[in-house]
Amino acid sequence: EAQVTQNPRYLITVTGKKLTVTCSQNMNHEYMSWYRQDPGLGLRQIYYSMNVEVTDKGDVPEGYKVSRKEKRNFPLILESPSPNQTSLYFCASISSGRVRTGELFFGEGSRLTVL
Amino acid sequence: EDQVTQSPEALRLQEGESSSLNCSYTVSGLRGLFWYRQDPGKGPEFLFTLYSAGEEKEKERLKATLTKKESFLHITAPKPEDSATYLCAVQGSVYNQGGKLIFGQGTELSVKP
Repeated sequence: EAQVTQNPRYLITVTGKKLTVTCSQNMNHEYMSWYRQDPGLGLRQIYYSMNVEVTDKGDVPEGYKVSRKEKRNFPLILESPSPNQTSLYFCASISSGRVRTGELFFGEGSRLTVL
Repeated sequence: EDQVTQSPEALRLQEGESSSLNCSYTVSGLRGLFWYRQDPGKGPEFLFTLYSAGEEKEKERLKATLTKKESFLHITAPKPEDSATYLCAVQGSVYNQGGKLIFGQGTELSVKP
């Protein structure tokens, strides 16, 4: 089954404690992206990756890092989480040849609370 | 700045009561407009892509249309299983090497039996 898998699905942590949210896709997609979803603000892009070792900032990259060492994985790293990073995070992927179709495949989300 | 506004924020319908959701947008060079469905506790699920004004797409009870300034998602004779949040997004062409989608805030649709 084609899917994007995120872990953890739920996490409560404290300010400053480094954490990583993993994302893995089994569709051999070149393009992967992270979004955060906040009430009243909708989904906003954090980072994206066009392929292995190629990453770039989205609209709200501050406080986040990413890496793309393997095609299937695109982890999101919060080096020193702060309360304003409390949010619902989604990883998404698509074949690079189909980016213009907008047919992103989304994971089920990771709800992060930073106290 | 690219922007998407959806209305209404929430819509409650009786089963069989047809209605429309609105998505107004401003974007520099529209590459595409997209509709997604999001169920509680789930990620968005792709529904439609519209590329140019006048285009229409249909899927079961849903029909999406596009003008130069807005898109409508028409829901004909909805059923309770159509209850979800519907998201509209656009992809602009200017400075958008990353294929970023700009999302609206969504319309939460509730269909009562």
